[in-house]
Amino acid sequence: SQQGEEDPQALSIQEGENATMNCSYKTSINNLQWYRQNSGRGLVHLILIRSNEREKHSGRLRVTLDTSKKSSSLLITASRAADTASYFCATVSPGTYKYIFGTGTRLKVLA
Amino acid sequence: SAVISQKPSRDICQRGTSLTIQCQVDSQVTMMFWYRQQPGQSLTLIATANQGSEATYESGFVIDKFPISRPNLTFSTLTVSNMSPEDSSIYLCSVRTSGALTDTQYFGPGTRLTVL
Repeated sequence: SQQGEEDPQALSIQEGENATMNCSYKTSINNLQWYRQNSGRGLVHLILIRSNEREKHSGRLRVTLDTSKKSSSLLITASRAADTASYFCATVSPGTYKYIFGTGTRLKVLA
Repeated sequence: SAVISQKPSRDICQRGTSLTIQCQVDSQVTMMFWYRQQPGQSLTLIATANQGSEATYESGFVIDKFPISRPNLTFSTLTVSNMSPEDSSIYLCSVRTSGALTDTQYFGPGTRLTVL
């Protein structure tokens, strides 16, 4: 079964606005990664956050992790039309090497 | 990081035929994975490709349908056998550059398969 559930499933915003996507998971994890996928192509790795970290930044991206709530959020600030894509979270649990992917959020940024 | 290429990038195939997808990595990697992404869906792990041994398949995927080869640390193939329209998906090769459980996983550009 899917480890991660993301919400919203779809998000449409204006260029310049911030976009927030959430990922919830069911079991304890070693780390969580966020990926971007443009138009059904390969996935681009964005950020990896470890279970002992609470927040990470990379450019316009900010990821938080709350292990007590088993959830993570991805914030994209000052969004651009080029940010239009699907965003997935993926988690790996202790004792396993397999990343399990969430359901994804389809983000559309309107120019 | 790792640069991954896949061939073909897309194909349209007839029912009952087979297609072999190639995955080439620019460096030696320990772990290679094959995923399937059905239209509008998330990624599902098909199998882990182990160098020098048989692949490890996930529940719902079998070797007869998805045979995998891993002849060395930079290359793998996935064959989709006896295809049906339900096999229409994007197939993605993925690698980790080390065996660490907490390592980043990288993806190829995908192969978009349409079965008529």
